[in-house]
Amino acid sequence: DTGVSQNPRHKITKRGQNVTFRCDPISEHNRLYWYRQTLGQGPEFLTYFQNEAQLEKSRLLSDRFSAERPKGSFSTLEIQRTEQGDSAMYLCASSSPPKTGGGNIQYFGAGTRLSVL
Amino acid sequence: DAKTTQPNSMESNEEEPVHLPCNHSTISGTDYIHWYRQLPSQGPEYVIHGLTSNVNNRMASLAIAEDRKSSTLILHRATLRDAAVYYCILRGLASGTYKYIFGTGTRLKVLA
Repeated sequence: DTGVSQNPRHKITKRGQNVTFRCDPISEHNRLYWYRQTLGQGPEFLTYFQNEAQLEKSRLLSDRFSAERPKGSFSTLEIQRTEQGDSAMYLCASSSPPKTGGGNIQYFGAGTRLSVL
Repeated sequence: DAKTTQPNSMESNEEEPVHLPCNHSTISGTDYIHWYRQLPSQGPEYVIHGLTSNVNNRMASLAIAEDRKSSTLILHRATLRDAAVYYCILRGLASGTYKYIFGTGTRLKVLA
């Protein structure tokens, strides 16, 4: 178990460029979440996958954002035509199916910090 | 989604116990109380969770009020490595996605 892995750790881009982030969840975790965190705030939910199906998207996820999880393994989050307001930490988390006892503990990666110049 | 309220910041001396409060007056009967912490430049890290009874693990203890409208995370002996932002989150079973709704958390400062 190597934990949730996110790449790259840091990304600097110019406004208008497209960026893509990758998340590798803990193996056998079928649930995967993306969150966004700006300075001084708690993480905000963006989207959720169960296996390869994207089951929920936040209103924060504008049409410039797209997430995929082909084959239910790794996931990618793409931002098209980046804006300065997209600058944030993008966090990925994964969890196994919930068990009794309120489980479904989400394990987070270290995040990808995006800076849009 | 039920909300939580936490103090913005707290301070503690090293090796002393720390009690981090959380109010969740609109909690429903099926909501679990989860605590996470986030160290600088890292993702949130699971600390503990519970439903009604107090819980202990190697990291901390969770004390839940009898009416479940508040809870307290207890760090028995704070160390400098415990300096972090601590989040109290309600995770409802009714929500099919089990997403977390984070607040702004409590920033804990540990003084040497």
